[in-house]
Amino acid sequence: DTTVKQNPRYKLARVGKPVNLICSQTMNHDTMYWYQKKPNQAPKLLLFYYDKILNREADTFEKFQSSRPNNSFCSLYIGSAGLEYSAMYLCASSREQGGNERLFFGHGTKLSVL
Amino acid sequence: GEKVEQHESTLSVREGDSAVINCTYTDTASSYFPWYKQEAGKSLHFVIDIRSNVDRKQSQRLIVLLDKKAKRFSLHITATQPEDSAIYFCAASWSNNAPRFGAGTKLSVKP
Repeated sequence: DTTVKQNPRYKLARVGKPVNLICSQTMNHDTMYWYQKKPNQAPKLLLFYYDKILNREADTFEKFQSSRPNNSFCSLYIGSAGLEYSAMYLCASSREQGGNERLFFGHGTKLSVL
Repeated sequence: GEKVEQHESTLSVREGDSAVINCTYTDTASSYFPWYKQEAGKSLHFVIDIRSNVDRKQSQRLIVLLDKKAKRFSLHITATQPEDSAIYFCAASWSNNAPRFGAGTKLSVKP
C-alpha cells in the first residue's frame, strides 16, 4: 500500500483557535513532510521529520508545530489560526531523506479559517 | 535557500505534439530534480526524476534534460495524449534536505 492518508479532507477553523492536522503512512518511510499550498503558488515547505529529528523552515518556525510519535504518524499543529493560514496542507513521505528520493503525497487537507 | 522557478504557468498543445516545461533553480548544491503530476481532484504523484550526474533521462514519452551550468532543467512530453492534461510541478533538492517546488504548469492537451 503506497498511500499517504490525511485527515480530515476539509477543515473549518475560527480565527484564533488551534488546528491539528493528521497524516499517516504505512510504507515505513523514514521521512515525513508538510507543505502549504495556496492557489497558483508553489507548495511551500513548512517542516519535515527525518526519523525523530524535526527540521523547520526559518520563516515559519514559530507558526507551525509538529509531532511524530511513531514512524507512521505525523501531525501539524497551528496554535492560533489566522486568515493567512487558509490553504491546502499537503503531507508527504519518502523512504529516506527527500534530498535524493521521490515523495509520496496525500490528498491534502483544505483548511479554511474564518 | 533553494528557489525553484517554473516558467510556464499554462501550456496548451495539440494532441500528438510535444510539450516542454522549463524550470530554473538557484542553489548549485542541488543534485536531485523530480517532477510530479497532479490530475484533477487527485494528489501529486511522481512521474520522473534526474540526478546531477547525468544530463538526460527518458522514461517512455517523458524526457528530462538538466543543464547544471545554466541551473536549468526541463520536462519534455512527446506525442502528447489527452491524459497528459494535468498540472506538472518541478522540484529541486540536495542531500539531507527536502525538495523545493515550482508553482506548477497547467498543461492542456487539445484533440
